[in-house]
Amino acid sequence: QKEVEQNSGPLSVPEGAIASLNCTYSDRVSQSFFWYRQYSGKSPELIMSIYSNGDKEDGRFTAQLNKASQYVSLLIRDSQPSDSATYLCAVYGNAGNMLTFGGGTRLMVKP
Amino acid sequence: EAGVTQSPTHLIKTRGQQATLRCSPISGHTSVYWYQQALGLGLQFLLWYDEGEERNRGNFPPRFSGRQFPNYSSELNVNALELEDSALYLCASSLGTSLSGAYNEQFFGPGTRLTVL
Repeated sequence: QKEVEQNSGPLSVPEGAIASLNCTYSDRVSQSFFWYRQYSGKSPELIMSIYSNGDKEDGRFTAQLNKASQYVSLLIRDSQPSDSATYLCAVYGNAGNMLTFGGGTRLMVKP
Repeated sequence: EAGVTQSPTHLIKTRGQQATLRCSPISGHTSVYWYQQALGLGLQFLLWYDEGEERNRGNFPPRFSGRQFPNYSSELNVNALELEDSALYLCASSLGTSLSGAYNEQFFGPGTRLTVL
């Protein structure tokens, strides 16, 4: 079982819709959770960090964390074609004090 | 505030040669991480340096090595290059590692694209 799992997609949503990206993790003691956006051929960019259960909002982005279910998600409201990218979930746990990345979900926002 | 910088942007080598990639972290960051991202694949963790010491290593052969200098910049060396080493090599930095979440936020540089012919 992979430590951090994401559906590879592509997830296709129409412009203006809400995109919902999901991530599950296996290490129960994980403490910090991050979402990165990576455009094709570019490096990952940190867009959201979340450390406690519940929701965290930043502009059009909302991160949701449920430690009991070992589940973290990213909602993108009013999706724009410029949001089309691969979204990487990363989890910090105690295993080697490392960030572990999921394989990423490719999001396509269609005009 | 300047971000993570990497050099060179592109590097072309032939099989069997050695490649040296360089990274300067964000000012104040002491941890530097190296990742390999082959075309169409996910991030593969290579090496982690903190305070000049190698803290962890991914599942890569010993011909992948590196070091961290007193100014926290870092160098990745790849010896005896193979065709499958062609990839985007990403460097990231963080404040360190801690139970405090913000310390673990990693910020990436633009990467070095290595092509092995």
